[in-house]
Amino acid sequence: ETGVTQTPRHLVMGMTNKKSLKCEQHLGHNAMYWYKQSAKKPLELMFVYSLEERVENNSVPSRFSPECPNSSHLFLHLHTLQPEDSALYLCASSQGLTDEQFFGPGTRLTVL
Amino acid sequence: LAKTTQPISMDSYEGQEVNITCSHNNIATNDYITWYQQFPSQGPRFIIQGYKTKVTNEVASLFIPADRKSSTLSLPRVSLSDTAVYYCLVGDIRANAGKSTFGDGTTLTVKP
Repeated sequence: ETGVTQTPRHLVMGMTNKKSLKCEQHLGHNAMYWYKQSAKKPLELMFVYSLEERVENNSVPSRFSPECPNSSHLFLHLHTLQPEDSALYLCASSQGLTDEQFFGPGTRLTVL
Repeated sequence: LAKTTQPISMDSYEGQEVNITCSHNNIATNDYITWYQQFPSQGPRFIIQGYKTKVTNEVASLFIPADRKSSTLSLPRVSLSDTAVYYCLVGDIRANAGKSTFGDGTTLTVKP
Protein backbone atom coordinates (compact mmCIF):
# COMPACT_ATOMS: atom_id res chain seq x y z
CA GLU A 1 0.00 0.00 0.00
CA THR A 2 1.61 3.23 -1.14
CA GLY A 3 -0.51 5.65 0.85
CA VAL A 4 -1.83 7.21 -2.34
CA THR A 5 -5.27 6.12 -3.46
CA GLN A 6 -7.08 6.83 -6.70
CA THR A 7 -10.71 6.42 -7.67
CA PRO A 8 -12.12 5.10 -9.84
CA ARG A 9 -9.65 2.45 -10.95
CA HIS A 10 -11.36 2.08 -14.31
CA LEU A 11 -13.51 4.55 -16.20
CA VAL A 12 -15.23 4.39 -19.56
CA MET A 13 -16.77 7.60 -20.84
CA GLY A 14 -18.17 9.07 -23.99
CA MET A 15 -16.79 12.18 -25.61
CA THR A 16 -19.64 14.34 -24.32
CA ASN A 17 -19.46 13.16 -20.71
CA LYS A 18 -18.07 15.02 -17.73
CA LYS A 19 -16.25 12.98 -15.13
CA SER A 20 -13.70 13.51 -12.38
CA LEU A 21 -10.75 11.50 -11.17
CA LYS A 22 -9.92 11.63 -7.49
CA CYS A 23 -6.61 11.21 -5.72
CA GLU A 24 -5.98 11.18 -1.99
CA GLN A 25 -2.68 10.92 -0.18
CA HIS A 26 -2.31 9.95 3.46
CA LEU A 27 1.39 10.73 3.73
CA GLY A 28 1.33 14.35 4.82
CA HIS A 29 3.05 15.45 1.63
CA ASN A 30 3.07 18.99 0.27
CA ALA A 31 3.24 18.28 -3.46
CA MET A 32 0.87 16.35 -5.70
CA TYR A 33 1.03 15.47 -9.38
CA TRP A 34 -1.06 14.20 -12.27
CA TYR A 35 0.62 12.07 -14.93
CA LYS A 36 -0.67 10.56 -18.16
CA GLN A 37 0.73 7.38 -19.63
CA SER A 38 -0.53 6.33 -23.03
CA ALA A 39 0.13 2.88 -24.39
CA LYS A 40 3.85 2.31 -24.99
CA LYS A 41 4.67 5.97 -24.40
CA PRO A 42 6.67 7.68 -21.68
CA LEU A 43 5.02 9.09 -18.62
CA GLU A 44 3.92 12.68 -19.21
CA LEU A 45 3.68 15.08 -16.31
CA MET A 46 0.44 17.05 -16.66
CA PHE A 47 0.10 19.15 -13.53
CA VAL A 48 2.03 19.91 -10.39
CA TYR A 49 0.70 21.35 -7.16
CA SER A 50 2.99 22.51 -4.40
CA LEU A 51 1.41 23.63 -1.12
CA GLU A 52 -1.92 23.68 -2.98
CA GLU A 53 -0.64 26.15 -5.58
CA ARG A 54 -0.55 25.03 -9.16
CA VAL A 55 2.60 25.23 -11.25
CA GLU A 56 1.63 26.85 -14.52
CA ASN A 57 1.42 24.49 -17.43
CA ASN A 58 0.02 25.77 -20.69
CA SER A 59 0.61 22.67 -22.76
CA VAL A 60 -2.21 20.49 -21.41
CA PRO A 61 -5.56 20.94 -23.24
CA SER A 62 -8.24 22.79 -21.34
CA ARG A 63 -10.51 19.74 -21.41
CA PHE A 64 -8.37 18.60 -18.46
CA SER A 65 -8.94 20.75 -15.40
CA PRO A 66 -7.13 20.06 -12.12
CA GLU A 67 -8.31 21.01 -8.66
CA CYS A 68 -6.44 20.82 -5.37
CA PRO A 69 -8.79 21.81 -2.53
CA ASN A 70 -6.25 20.87 0.16
CA SER A 71 -2.88 19.22 0.46
CA SER A 72 -4.37 15.72 0.72
CA HIS A 73 -6.73 15.76 -2.24
CA LEU A 74 -6.29 16.24 -5.94
CA PHE A 75 -8.92 16.03 -8.65
CA LEU A 76 -8.75 15.91 -12.42
CA HIS A 77 -11.98 17.09 -14.05
CA LEU A 78 -12.58 15.76 -17.53
CA HIS A 79 -14.95 17.09 -20.16
CA THR A 80 -15.40 16.60 -23.90
CA LEU A 81 -12.45 14.25 -24.11
CA GLN A 82 -11.16 12.64 -27.28
CA PRO A 83 -10.44 8.95 -27.91
CA GLU A 84 -6.72 9.73 -27.92
CA ASP A 85 -7.07 10.78 -24.28
CA SER A 86 -7.53 7.12 -23.37
CA ALA A 87 -4.63 6.28 -21.08
CA LEU A 88 -3.53 5.40 -17.58
CA TYR A 89 -3.78 8.49 -15.36
CA LEU A 90 -1.47 8.39 -12.38
CA CYS A 91 -1.45 10.55 -9.30
CA ALA A 92 1.64 10.98 -7.15
CA SER A 93 2.71 12.91 -4.10
CA SER A 94 5.99 13.92 -2.51
CA GLN A 95 7.15 15.85 0.51
CA GLY A 96 8.87 18.45 -1.62
CA LEU A 97 9.38 18.89 -5.34
CA THR A 98 12.79 17.21 -5.32
CA ASP A 99 11.83 14.33 -3.03
CA GLU A 100 10.83 10.82 -4.04
CA GLN A 101 7.35 10.52 -5.42
CA PHE A 102 4.82 7.97 -4.26
CA PHE A 103 2.42 6.88 -6.96
CA GLY A 104 -1.16 5.71 -6.76
CA PRO A 105 -2.44 2.67 -8.66
CA GLY A 106 -3.80 4.80 -11.47
CA THR A 107 -7.12 5.16 -13.28
CA ARG A 108 -7.45 3.35 -16.58
CA LEU A 109 -9.52 5.71 -18.73
CA THR A 110 -11.18 4.73 -21.97
CA VAL A 111 -12.86 7.38 -24.09
CA LEU A 112 -15.32 6.04 -26.63
CA LEU B 1 14.79 18.70 -15.30
CA ALA B 2 18.10 17.78 -16.81
CA LYS B 3 17.92 15.71 -19.98
CA THR B 4 18.88 12.09 -19.39
CA THR B 5 19.96 9.32 -21.74
CA GLN B 6 19.59 5.63 -20.92
CA PRO B 7 19.83 2.42 -22.95
CA ILE B 8 16.43 1.48 -24.33
CA SER B 9 16.66 -2.14 -23.22
CA MET B 10 18.84 -4.67 -21.43
CA ASP B 11 18.69 -8.42 -20.96
CA SER B 12 20.01 -10.38 -18.03
CA TYR B 13 19.72 -13.77 -16.33
CA GLU B 14 18.58 -14.64 -12.86
CA GLY B 15 21.26 -14.25 -10.23
CA GLN B 16 23.36 -11.80 -12.21
CA GLU B 17 24.23 -8.26 -11.24
CA VAL B 18 22.74 -5.64 -13.54
CA ASN B 19 24.16 -2.17 -14.06
CA ILE B 20 22.12 0.49 -15.85
CA THR B 21 23.89 3.73 -16.68
CA CYS B 22 22.23 7.08 -17.18
CA SER B 23 23.93 10.08 -18.78
CA HIS B 24 23.03 13.59 -17.60
CA ASN B 25 25.66 15.94 -18.95
CA ASN B 26 23.84 19.17 -18.01
CA ILE B 27 23.11 18.30 -14.40
CA ALA B 28 22.93 21.37 -12.18
CA THR B 29 24.79 21.86 -8.93
CA ASN B 30 21.70 21.36 -6.77
CA ASP B 31 20.21 18.46 -8.72
CA TYR B 32 19.68 15.06 -7.14
CA ILE B 33 19.55 11.83 -9.16
CA THR B 34 16.56 9.57 -8.62
CA TRP B 35 15.75 6.13 -10.03
CA TYR B 36 12.30 4.59 -10.34
CA GLN B 37 11.00 1.14 -11.31
CA GLN B 38 7.74 0.60 -13.17
CA PHE B 39 5.78 -2.58 -13.83
CA PRO B 40 3.09 -2.69 -16.55
CA SER B 41 -0.12 -0.85 -15.68
CA GLN B 42 1.28 0.38 -12.36
CA GLY B 43 2.73 3.65 -11.20
CA PRO B 44 6.51 3.97 -10.86
CA ARG B 45 8.09 3.02 -7.56
CA PHE B 46 11.02 4.85 -6.03
CA ILE B 47 14.22 2.81 -5.87
CA ILE B 48 17.04 5.09 -4.79
CA GLN B 49 18.24 8.69 -4.77
CA GLY B 50 21.69 10.19 -4.51
CA TYR B 51 23.76 13.33 -4.97
CA LYS B 52 27.35 12.07 -5.23
CA THR B 53 29.64 9.07 -4.64
CA LYS B 54 27.76 5.93 -3.64
CA VAL B 55 24.39 5.27 -2.07
CA THR B 56 23.17 1.83 -1.07
CA ASN B 57 19.86 0.59 0.26
CA GLU B 58 18.24 -2.82 0.64
CA VAL B 59 17.24 -2.89 -3.02
CA ALA B 60 20.04 -1.32 -5.04
CA SER B 61 23.19 0.76 -5.16
CA LEU B 62 23.74 4.03 -6.97
CA PHE B 63 27.18 5.03 -8.16
CA ILE B 64 27.84 8.66 -9.09
CA PRO B 65 31.28 9.76 -10.33
CA ALA B 66 32.88 12.98 -9.21
CA ASP B 67 31.76 14.97 -12.26
CA ARG B 68 28.15 13.78 -11.73
CA LYS B 69 27.54 13.66 -15.47
CA SER B 70 26.38 10.08 -15.26
CA SER B 71 25.09 7.60 -12.71
CA THR B 72 24.82 3.83 -12.55
CA LEU B 73 22.05 1.88 -10.91
CA SER B 74 23.27 -1.50 -9.73
CA LEU B 75 20.82 -4.32 -9.00
CA PRO B 76 22.48 -7.27 -7.25
CA ARG B 77 21.42 -10.82 -8.12
CA VAL B 78 18.33 -10.00 -10.16
CA SER B 79 15.31 -12.27 -10.26
CA LEU B 80 12.50 -12.66 -12.78
CA SER B 81 10.41 -10.20 -10.77
CA ASP B 82 12.95 -7.44 -11.49
CA THR B 83 11.76 -7.38 -15.10
CA ALA B 84 10.48 -3.81 -15.42
CA VAL B 85 11.20 -0.38 -16.85
CA TYR B 86 13.80 1.66 -14.96
CA TYR B 87 13.81 5.45 -15.13
CA CYS B 88 16.51 7.92 -14.23
CA LEU B 89 15.39 11.44 -13.23
CA VAL B 90 17.56 14.41 -12.47
CA GLY B 91 16.57 17.72 -10.95
CA ASP B 92 13.52 19.73 -10.05
CA ILE B 93 10.34 18.39 -11.60
CA ARG B 94 8.63 21.79 -11.90
CA ALA B 95 10.53 22.71 -15.03
CA ASN B 96 9.20 19.75 -16.95
CA ALA B 97 5.44 19.95 -16.53
CA GLY B 98 3.75 18.98 -19.78
CA LYS B 99 6.72 17.06 -21.09
CA SER B 100 7.84 13.46 -21.08
CA THR B 101 9.32 13.78 -17.63
CA PHE B 102 10.41 10.22 -17.16
CA GLY B 103 11.83 9.70 -20.64
CA ASP B 104 11.80 6.29 -22.30
CA GLY B 105 13.54 4.48 -19.46
CA THR B 106 15.40 1.20 -19.74
CA THR B 107 13.38 -1.97 -20.17
CA LEU B 108 15.15 -4.71 -18.24
CA THR B 109 14.24 -8.29 -19.08
CA VAL B 110 15.46 -10.97 -16.70
CA LYS B 111 15.51 -14.46 -18.15
CA PRO B 112 15.56 -17.77 -16.26
